[in-house]
Amino acid sequence: ETGVTQSPTHLIKTRGQQVTLRCSSQSGHNTVSWYQQALGQGPQFIFQYYREEENGRGNFPPRFSGLQFPNYSSELNVNALELDDSALYLCASSLIGVYEQYFGPGTRLTVT
Amino acid sequence: KQEVTQIPAALSVPEGENLVLNCSFTDSAIYNLQWFRQDPGKGLTSLLLIQSSQREQTSGRLNASLDKSSGRSTLYIAASQPGDSATYLCAVRRRGNQGGKLIFGQGTELSVKP
Repeated sequence: ETGVTQSPTHLIKTRGQQVTLRCSSQSGHNTVSWYQQALGQGPQFIFQYYREEENGRGNFPPRFSGLQFPNYSSELNVNALELDDSALYLCASSLIGVYEQYFGPGTRLTVT
Repeated sequence: KQEVTQIPAALSVPEGENLVLNCSFTDSAIYNLQWFRQDPGKGLTSLLLIQSSQREQTSGRLNASLDKSSGRSTLYIAASQPGDSATYLCAVRRRGNQGGKLIFGQGTELSVKP
């Protein structure tokens, strides 16, 4: 059984740029959730995707967007990067209706 | 609005001690509660998941309890070891919420000294 994987591991971007983060779900899982974790804080829910559509969104602006592909992998896109976007971005997969989520190792994004 | 609080923010204990981490939540209408471990700069590892109808769950040296009516959960770690050093996060899932969104506390950073 393959766990949740994320790429890249680390990323450095400049304010105003755009970034794409990638996630591959655990085998057999059909939903993907994205979380942002600032240093010293608990993760904050960004959104979840199920059947290639957004299935719930947290308190994040529209410049945070996502995609889910037919193989259940997912992308998180952030436009017009701000310094406060610097964080660990976590992806979690699950089976709809089961709700226990399995997390990937995260992508550390630094915005300068 | 659901809020999750973890106390203390940090805890340091000598090896071998039994310890309790606390988690409280403001809205008792939860679907389940999950405890995670996070090593520095890493992702989350699920430790225990308690459904709203359950009172406790055990895995090895870990025991998690849930008192929904008082909005509290505890994670008990028996015979702590230096390898237990990490940040422990609790998270709740509201009953009926969209997409299974988890609401996290800020975590308790545990250090177990040899």
